[in-house]
Amino acid sequence: DGGITQSPKYLFRKEGQNVTLSCEQNLNHDAMYWYRQDPGQGLRLIYYSQIVNDFQKGDIAEGYSVSREKKESFPLTVTSAQKNPTAFYLCASAPSRVGYEQYFGPGTRLTVT
Amino acid sequence: LAKTTQPISMDSYEGQEVNITCSHNNIATNDYITWYQQFPSQGPRFIIQGYKTKVTNEVASLFIPADRKSSTLSLPRVSLSDTAVYYCLVAGAGSYQLTFGKGTKLSVIP
Repeated sequence: DGGITQSPKYLFRKEGQNVTLSCEQNLNHDAMYWYRQDPGQGLRLIYYSQIVNDFQKGDIAEGYSVSREKKESFPLTVTSAQKNPTAFYLCASAPSRVGYEQYFGPGTRLTVT
Repeated sequence: LAKTTQPISMDSYEGQEVNITCSHNNIATNDYITWYQQFPSQGPRFIIQGYKTKVTNEVASLFIPADRKSSTLSLPRVSLSDTAVYYCLVAGAGSYQLTFGKGTKLSVIP
């Protein structure tokens, strides 16, 4: 059963703490992405990775970090430097060179108080 | 990345055909047009993609005029389960960056 998994679905943290969101895919896709979605808004790209051990900043990378040590995994760390971290976070993957057809995970809703 | 413009919201009764139009005046020669559907608290789902003329699959049709400056997503005989936000995106083949606008919120009324 192929797909993308994100865990946990809901996450609560205190302000000032770093938190890592998990994203795993078994679709054998080369490219992976992290997006942030705020209420009533579209998706904004945080980071993306085309291959293992390589990643690029998206439109709103400040306050976030990623790693891509394995093809299947692309974890996102929300650091204490991110000023408004409460949001819905979506991970996606795509076959290399077919980036316009992305497969999304179920998302993680992060609440920081 | 080509900018897209689409209506913020639309209402439709069950059983009707719904057409959502997207404008993309500065589309580039190698850009494709892609539509996604998103339900609340879920990730977007790919619906359909095309380059020119008409594309049809089991859930929708995509109409693209010759100048490619706009496109229309057509949903036949909508049901309540089609209530969702629909995003129009324009990106080059092989592009790694997609830009999601605010989309069109479709509400299907019984």
